[in-house]
Amino acid sequence: AQKITQTQPGMFVQEKEAVTLDCTYDTSDPSYGLFWYKQPSSGEMIFLIYQGSYDQQNATEGRYSLNFQKARKSANLVISASQLGDSAMYFCAMREGTGNQFYFGTGTSLTVIP
Amino acid sequence: KAGVTQTPRYLIKTRGQQVTLSCSPISGHRSVSWYQQTPGQGLQFLFEYFSETQRNKGNFPGRFSGRQFSNSRSEMNVSTLELGDSALYLCASSHLGSGGWTEAFFGQGTRLTVV
Repeated sequence: AQKITQTQPGMFVQEKEAVTLDCTYDTSDPSYGLFWYKQPSSGEMIFLIYQGSYDQQNATEGRYSLNFQKARKSANLVISASQLGDSAMYFCAMREGTGNQFYFGTGTSLTVIP
Repeated sequence: KAGVTQTPRYLIKTRGQQVTLSCSPISGHRSVSWYQQTPGQGLQFLFEYFSETQRNKGNFPGRFSGRQFSNSRSEMNVSTLELGDSALYLCASSHLGSGGWTEAFFGQGTRLTVV
């Protein structure tokens, strides 16, 4: 089974609107971390936000927030007030237990329309 | 604070050759992981090094190898290159040795093309 599933290959959003990128995960380890990375066409993976499995509050970082629903095993990324520079690939990823290995989803290509 | 540096950025090699890619992690980071990214397979884990020891390895053939030096810089080597090895190779640097709650910083990657 896939550990990380991103079901939206491509998304479009109007500039200044909010957008939600979906991510579901699968793990039996009670201790894990969920991450979102942005990858522009240059190739670099840019860290956006992190949520630990024991965190009670949803993580927020500026315009990014993570909607963490543990029972549903989902960790959706919400980008508020989209900007043209947000156009990129977005990857959801997970680390389990004490390991450093990331399991990545297939990514969502986000296009912000002026 | 300098980020993760990968060299070279671009590389073109011929089938059958070998290649060495380099990754310099963020100062103080002792864990370095390598990933291969292709359009067909997405992002796949190659291996992780911590304090000069390989701690974890993905499902890749033995042609893919790596090492880490005492200054935490890491190299990965691919021998007998195949066309399917064409990919973006990303290196990730982490501060702590383990744990799901440490973020990783990635380099800009090395784009390898095998012809």
